[in-house]
Amino acid sequence: RKEVEQDPGPFNVPEGATVAFNCTYSNSASQSFFWYRQDCRKEPKLLMSVYSSGNEDGRFTAQLNRASQYISLLIRDSKLSDSATYLCVVNILGAGGTSYGKLTFGQGTILTVHP
Amino acid sequence: DGGITQSPKYLFRKEGQNVTLSCEQNLNHDAMYWYRQDPGQGLRLIYYSQIVNDFQKGDIAEGYSVSREKKESFPLTVTSAQKNPTAFYLCASSILQGATNEKLFFGSGTQLSVL
Repeated sequence: RKEVEQDPGPFNVPEGATVAFNCTYSNSASQSFFWYRQDCRKEPKLLMSVYSSGNEDGRFTAQLNRASQYISLLIRDSKLSDSATYLCVVNILGAGGTSYGKLTFGQGTILTVHP
Repeated sequence: DGGITQSPKYLFRKEGQNVTLSCEQNLNHDAMYWYRQDPGQGLRLIYYSQIVNDFQKGDIAEGYSVSREKKESFPLTVTSAQKNPTAFYLCASSILQGATNEKLFFGSGTQLSVL
């Protein structure tokens, strides 16, 4: 089983649609979770950190379910500019709370928003 | 402006040749990372370093080497032992302080191709 696994997509949705991505992780010691956005042949950019209580940033909502070991990203009212690859990222903390410094990426979910 | 700089943007390697990808950051970050991305794939960790003069292998270190002689610099050498080097290489850095959230700052990437 991969350490971090995402819906591969691609997701093809009309403008204004609501779309949700899921990501599962295998290591229960995982402590930090993120969603990154990557445009074609560009560097990934942080979209959101994901907290246990869930968090919202405008049209984007991230949720964490530790019991089931998955995180999700919900995009409401999709825009054409939301078209990109969305990467789920998981960090594992070492003993004593220090970080291993190893962030593991999922394979990415491709989203295309069309007019 | 602070940031992380990768060079060159495009690089071509001949058979049996070693090539070095440059990564420099002026963010005063402790940790630096090298990732490889193949088409349609997520990022896979090659090497990472949490402190000067120390580095650890990631998931796919074979055929690669790194050095961390200065905090600002983390060059990656793709050796002739790496039989399939064609990929998009991304360098990143982050603050490392035992925090639960560590935002990654990425360079703009180097596309390496084999002649």
